[in-house]
Amino acid sequence: QSVLTQPPSASGTPGQRVTISCSGGSPNIGKNFVYWYQQLPGAAPKLLMYRSSQRPSGVPDRFSGSRSGTSASLAISGLRSEDEAEYFCAAWDDSLSGWVFGGGTRLTVL
Amino acid sequence: QVQLQQWGAGLLKPSETLSLTCAVYGGSITDYSLSWIRQSPRQGLEWVGQISHGGGTKYNPSLKSRLTVSLDTSKNQFSLKLTSVTAADTAVYYCATETVVRGVYITTPYSYSYIDVWGKGTTVAVSS
Repeated sequence: QSVLTQPPSASGTPGQRVTISCSGGSPNIGKNFVYWYQQLPGAAPKLLMYRSSQRPSGVPDRFSGSRSGTSASLAISGLRSEDEAEYFCAAWDDSLSGWVFGGGTRLTVL
Repeated sequence: QVQLQQWGAGLLKPSETLSLTCAVYGGSITDYSLSWIRQSPRQGLEWVGQISHGGGTKYNPSLKSRLTVSLDTSKNQFSLKLTSVTAADTAVYYCATETVVRGVYITTPYSYSYIDVWGKGTTVAVSS
């Protein structure tokens, strides 16, 4: 069972806006930045968002992130077929002194 | 852009030792913290352990008694050893670099790191 809680699935049609939530607690999201990763089938995760809302170079501005209290969210606007993937949130946990992850949200583009 | 190449035995019997190595290309390992993460259908993504550029280690408490993460700066590589494996250790194991960010907030220095580049993963199966 993952420390961070994500919905197992999400879906949308091309062009729509989809939001994926990530819920944690005081030792992790409550005190530290949230990171988001995109994992395509058969591939390693790829960093999508750092410091809760910053995009690495090369990540389209259709992707945005936010954090409030002990929750965070990733929004994808102008949904495209290539966005179909699994999305994971992560945060450093001060109690564990290590990284904790969400269980992943599988995004389907209908 | 940093790239990682990882290797190690993919099939083990219970009680054997899992050994994986990760080579870092395009950067010096002394510029990063380095992590191992594993992924399985049962546990999802699970952080295994971390070694800092200075050699300090942090381990997942659930694995700490069986785990060693080490650094070889001469080869720009880092390694994982997990002893006494069981079927529960079956997973895809990823090595990853963590970018270290340092700054000063007003007069207080701070630093943090985050996992950015991942290796391609090594599938490890434990079966008798």
